[in-house]
Amino acid sequence: GAGVSQSPSNKVTEKGKDVELRCDPISGHTALYWYRQSLGQGLEFLIYFQGNSAPDKSGLPSDRFSAERTGGSVSTLTIQRTQQEDSAVYLCASSLGASGIRGETQYFGPGTRLLVL
Amino acid sequence: QKEVEQNSGPLSVPEGAIASLNCTYSDRGSQSFFWYRQYSGKSPELIMSIYSNGDKEDGRFTAQLNKASQYVSLLIRDSQPSDSATYLCAVNMFNFNKFYFGSGTKLNVKP
Repeated sequence: GAGVSQSPSNKVTEKGKDVELRCDPISGHTALYWYRQSLGQGLEFLIYFQGNSAPDKSGLPSDRFSAERTGGSVSTLTIQRTQQEDSAVYLCASSLGASGIRGETQYFGPGTRLLVL
Repeated sequence: QKEVEQNSGPLSVPEGAIASLNCTYSDRGSQSFFWYRQYSGKSPELIMSIYSNGDKEDGRFTAQLNKASQYVSLLIRDSQPSDSATYLCAVNMFNFNKFYFGSGTKLNVKP
């Protein structure tokens, strides 16, 4: 069906508030990734979900960041007590997630632009 | 040392010329290599993937991989102004789905 969708497309929040970012992957894709991209920078890996396996959280920058994936589909990235340095574009990507396959093509969503004032 | 390194540019080439984008990586276990194009304000889109040493051609694009020297490059022939974008290199290890991205090279193709 449709590509990866993310919401909201833009979010402005005040320092110290919590935010939730949503990602809806391509139907049938079992692998889901969250990345952060600061202005003019590359993509910083945050977290990776594969099916029912425990997520790879090695990229989360602090314990203020958490993510969950319900029913193996939609994922929510939560940032608690936001700081100004959290301002960035948060990108979600999904892939088929077939095991034993060389690194698969990731399909990216349009991103959520987060601004923390 | 970053896992994936790219020259940030900008790389400026005239329309019709060949643009050459380079990427080096630190992990010798890396098996899969990808080039993504990202227009300003947009999300990355895949251009090419390459897994074996040598060249892989797709239209005006050629990816080159040299695992011994740990570099991968992207050549764009007959560059067009519409090719102006940031090109991101990504690598990962076989059967691991954690990808490392470079910071990207900005390409400007001048009419």
